[in-house]
Amino acid sequence: QVTLRESGPALVKPTQTLTLTCSFSGFSIRSRGIYVSWIRQPPGKALEWLARIDWDDDKYYNTSLKTRLSISKDTSKNQVVLTMTNMDPVDTATYYCARMRGSGFDYWGQGTLVTVSS
Amino acid sequence: SYVLAQPPSVSVAPGQTARITCGGYNIGEKSVHWYQLRPGRPPVLVMYDDRDRPSGIPERFSGSNSGNTATLTITRVEAGDEADYYCQLWESNSDQWMFGGGTRLTVV
Repeated sequence: QVTLRESGPALVKPTQTLTLTCSFSGFSIRSRGIYVSWIRQPPGKALEWLARIDWDDDKYYNTSLKTRLSISKDTSKNQVVLTMTNMDPVDTATYYCARMRGSGFDYWGQGTLVTVSS
Repeated sequence: SYVLAQPPSVSVAPGQTARITCGGYNIGEKSVHWYQLRPGRPPVLVMYDDRDRPSGIPERFSGSNSGNTATLTITRVEAGDEADYYCQLWESNSDQWMFGGGTRLTVV
């Protein structure tokens, strides 16, 4: 059974760095063809893809956020970590991690709401 | 950048057919995926690669993609289908995974 779970702070201050962890089970990111992405949804707005990391450590970033994002994985812990620097109130959103199937996202975590406020 | 256009809302009566469109330049040449979002729940993949249903998704859900429009069709709509639906694809020229703006399906 594939499961993913996001964890991290619920509240961050403007200019701080956000670190989110995606812990997963039911698959191995060592396996060829396995990819994990982060996606967010601000309140009342659309989904937005942020970043992806592949089984072979290839990484991809949303072009408009690339300078602020970093994605990494810890294969021994079955975790993928996303960091986003210089947080702003507009970054308030529910952040999801998701496993990818082909070019789509087949399993999602429950999401974690991150509020950016002083 | 590639833009995916969805109508903000679609309303149908129970038992009727809902069609949710996703417009994009030559979208028919790309693989489109669809997600259902209900409040308090994570997104659910309801259609992948234009017309394939994941296990557990009712046969009432179907998909098509041609020209500049991809469509998610839900027949015999039920109250439980009320949700936001998003289309999504991979823009290969820039290696970006794009979402449409979402469509709220209301069952009236």
